[in-house]
Amino acid sequence: EPEVTQTPSHQVTQMGQEVILRCVPISNHLYFYWYRQILGQKVEFLVSFYNNEISEKSEIFDDQFSVERPDGSNFTLKIRSTKLEDSAMYFCASRGGAYTDTQYFGPGTRLTVL
Amino acid sequence: AQRVTQPEKLLSVFKGAPVELKCNYSYSGSPELFWYVQYSRQRLQLLLRHISRESIKGFTADLNKGETSFHLKKPFAQEEDSAMYYCALLRTGKLIFGQGTTLQVKP
Repeated sequence: EPEVTQTPSHQVTQMGQEVILRCVPISNHLYFYWYRQILGQKVEFLVSFYNNEISEKSEIFDDQFSVERPDGSNFTLKIRSTKLEDSAMYFCASRGGAYTDTQYFGPGTRLTVL
Repeated sequence: AQRVTQPEKLLSVFKGAPVELKCNYSYSGSPELFWYVQYSRQRLQLLLRHISRESIKGFTADLNKGETSFHLKKPFAQEEDSAMYYCALLRTGKLIFGQGTTLQVKP
């Protein structure tokens, strides 16, 4: 069964550094998402992406964040200048074309900002 | 604002006991609701969704619009059900999650 994959599984970075989190969605999916979960808190929506552009973004997704689908398979989340409060688990998800299609999640990338 | 509430952080039961994981939502329209499960060190995976009205691994959930609830139930808990359970509301294509409930099934 196809799965969403994410790399790296754990990323440690210094405050102020740029990080890129990578995701490979399921191949025939059309909608892509990033969510994050700060330790002990709920999973929160960051951004959705369709047809090579952002469909919706949350208030968390400020100018420090960007997303890209650089080729036909990868979907990336970039944080330009990381802050301590960006430390969290970041989940990528993808779904097919129908609104109520299941969102399939990747295993997550744990980002630790020191 | 749309919101999902799971009032229990931890639910601990013995094997064979009935389980009910509570979920309440706030949304004035017709909700699309899901339960996701996360077993230890594994990814979030869909357990069930209310529109399919199916039972997965013995779990069921009924939408009660009057009480704005979508509680997850299983008549007889198994040790392998121990996991984190998240209720989620689908809005404008994105999922709005509750805080999650850890279910611990003791032998």
